[in-house]
Amino acid sequence: EPEVTQTPSHQVTQMGQEVILRCVPISNHLYFYWYRQILGQKVEFLVSFYNNEISEKSEIFDDQFSVERPDGSNFTLKIRSTKLEDSAMYFCASRGTVNSPLHFGNGTRLTVT
Amino acid sequence: AQSVTQLDSHVSVSEGTPVLLRCNYSSSYSPSLFWYVQHPNKGLQLLLKYTSAATLVKGINGFEAEFKKSETSFHLTKPSAHMSDAAEYFCVVSEAGTALIFGKGTTLSVSS
Repeated sequence: EPEVTQTPSHQVTQMGQEVILRCVPISNHLYFYWYRQILGQKVEFLVSFYNNEISEKSEIFDDQFSVERPDGSNFTLKIRSTKLEDSAMYFCASRGTVNSPLHFGNGTRLTVT
Repeated sequence: AQSVTQLDSHVSVSEGTPVLLRCNYSSSYSPSLFWYVQHPNKGLQLLLKYTSAATLVKGINGFEAEFKKSETSFHLTKPSAHMSDAAEYFCVVSEAGTALIFGKGTTLSVSS
């Protein structure tokens, strides 16, 4: 069964550094998402992306965050200047239609020191 | 606005006994409802989904959930727990075209 793949599985970075989290959604999917889960807290929506543009974003997704689909397969989340509070598990997800379930990747654990 | 409340943060059962994980939702429109499971150090896996078809939805691993509009509930059940069911379970609501909103999660512990 096709899967959403995320790399790396664990990323450690220093405060103030830029980090790019990478995702390869399922190939025929059209809707792409990033969620995050701070340790011990709920899964939070960050951003959704469709037709090469952001379709919805949360308050968390401020100017420090950006997303890009640089080619036909990758979907990236960039954090420009990381803060300690950005430490979390970041999940990428995709779906084929607006009403179908999300398929999640295994996540990237980001640790900001 | 849509929201979801998982009524128990932690549920403990013995192996072979029934599982009940409770979820209530709030939605202005006809929602889609999902249960996802997260095993330690793993991603989120879809257990089942409700999208306005049958109100009793069967999922993977013997789980099922019943959509009750009058009670705005979507509780997850399983007749007989297995050790491998120990995980974090998330109830999720979505209105068409909007992002999924997750509940805070329920940790299911299964003892032998």
